[in-house]
Amino acid sequence: EDQVTQSPEALRLQEGESSSLNCSYTVSGLRGLFWYRQDPGKGPEFLFTLYSAGEEKEKERLKATLTKKESFLHITAPKPEDSATYLCAVRRRSSASKIIFGSGTRLSIRP
Amino acid sequence: EAQVTQNPRYLITVTGKKLTVTCSQNMNHEYMSWYRQDPGLGLRQIYYSMNVEVTDKGDVPEGYKVSRKEKRNFPLILESPSPNQTSLYFCASSRENTGELFFGEGSRLTVL
Repeated sequence: EDQVTQSPEALRLQEGESSSLNCSYTVSGLRGLFWYRQDPGKGPEFLFTLYSAGEEKEKERLKATLTKKESFLHITAPKPEDSATYLCAVRRRSSASKIIFGSGTRLSIRP
Repeated sequence: EAQVTQNPRYLITVTGKKLTVTCSQNMNHEYMSWYRQDPGLGLRQIYYSMNVEVTDKGDVPEGYKVSRKEKRNFPLILESPSPNQTSLYFCASSRENTGELFFGEGSRLTVL
């Protein structure tokens, strides 16, 4: 069964303290892994798409990487405005119309 | 401004009273989808549509209906709501089926 597991569930960091969020997945035939950011009371906002192992994408203080079994979202020198829930999602080749989301990591950055 | 608009944003209703949550996008996107978000369960897909008159079930379709008569609109219909449909609902769209979804602001539904 296709599954997306994110860890940790919640992470509290001090401003400037770098860390990584994990997304492990089991899916037959990956056709894209996606990262989203969700602020309280808002809909998720698209960040990155990764297609193949070894691929990396960067945006400001965020960098997403992909292996054959997991993806990491690295946050370098975070600021309080990076506080949000980060969601990982996957799409598989055999059913490309279905996108499966993980439960998310709730990130809190203290000033 | 590119956006996905959902209405209503908040709704409290009673068991069995039919309701419709509307969703409209102004980006000429082919793909649209409905999700529900529950604590600890993440976002789960209810229905999706690849284009006008083309819809299919997601992972949790029971108790819901959809239609896609126009490209921009994708309403979610609860014919006979029950308390287990109390949730936060999101509509999303994307160009073709890229997986890069634009989400609406969400509709919080409570069924008593």
